[in-house]
Amino acid sequence: EVQLVESGGDLAQPGRSLRLSCVVSGFTFGDYGISWFRQAPERRLEWVGRIARKASGGATQYAASVKGRFSISRDDSKSTAYLQMNSLKTEDTAVYFCAREAWSGLDSWGQGTLVTVSS
Amino acid sequence: QSVLTQPPSVSAAPGQKVTISCSGSTSDIGNNYVSWYQQLPGTAPKFLIYESTKRPSGIPDRFSGSKSGTSATLGITGLQTGDEADYYCGAWDSSLSSWVFGTGTKLTVL
Repeated sequence: EVQLVESGGDLAQPGRSLRLSCVVSGFTFGDYGISWFRQAPERRLEWVGRIARKASGGATQYAASVKGRFSISRDDSKSTAYLQMNSLKTEDTAVYFCAREAWSGLDSWGQGTLVTVSS
Repeated sequence: QSVLTQPPSVSAAPGQKVTISCSGSTSDIGNNYVSWYQQLPGTAPKFLIYESTKRPSGIPDRFSGSKSGTSATLGITGLQTGDEADYYCGAWDSSLSSWVFGTGTKLTVL
């Protein structure tokens, strides 16, 4: 069974950092790209960024709203993707999801982890 | 970052049919496949349609997808109360090298 499990969500003060993890099981992690999404309370899903599989170069792309503050990495030996969030802002408050990239969509999602940015 | 346009809400009675539209541009829907997602309250999104028209295993044939030009449509027939959810369309944006998702549509089954 394909599973993605996020962790690392917490309460953080503005300007601080957090690192989220996405541990996967049930498939060969290295064969897939991973995207991160977020959803603020009562708001729509927002794509945050992605990391391609290593065979495709492992490139990363980011949404304009987080570029320069957030970074995504992966450790294929641990079947884990990471979302490093620096210089957090109150508007980063959201549930963060990781998702597996299939050929034409995101076919499996984690349950999400809550990040609250507040002083 | 661009966003695909969906109606904020749609509603219909149990057993009826509803369609949800998704409008984009040539860089996303116009040149790439569309996918659809169902998000029940308090849960993660669920993969509903891929390659614009195909259903993953386990998704009932009450759900269908279509695409024409820079727009796509999700259709749901035989509505059930359990279909009440938010629905999102998504597509790869070739010019931005990013995923773009829709504004989301809340389905109410009256």
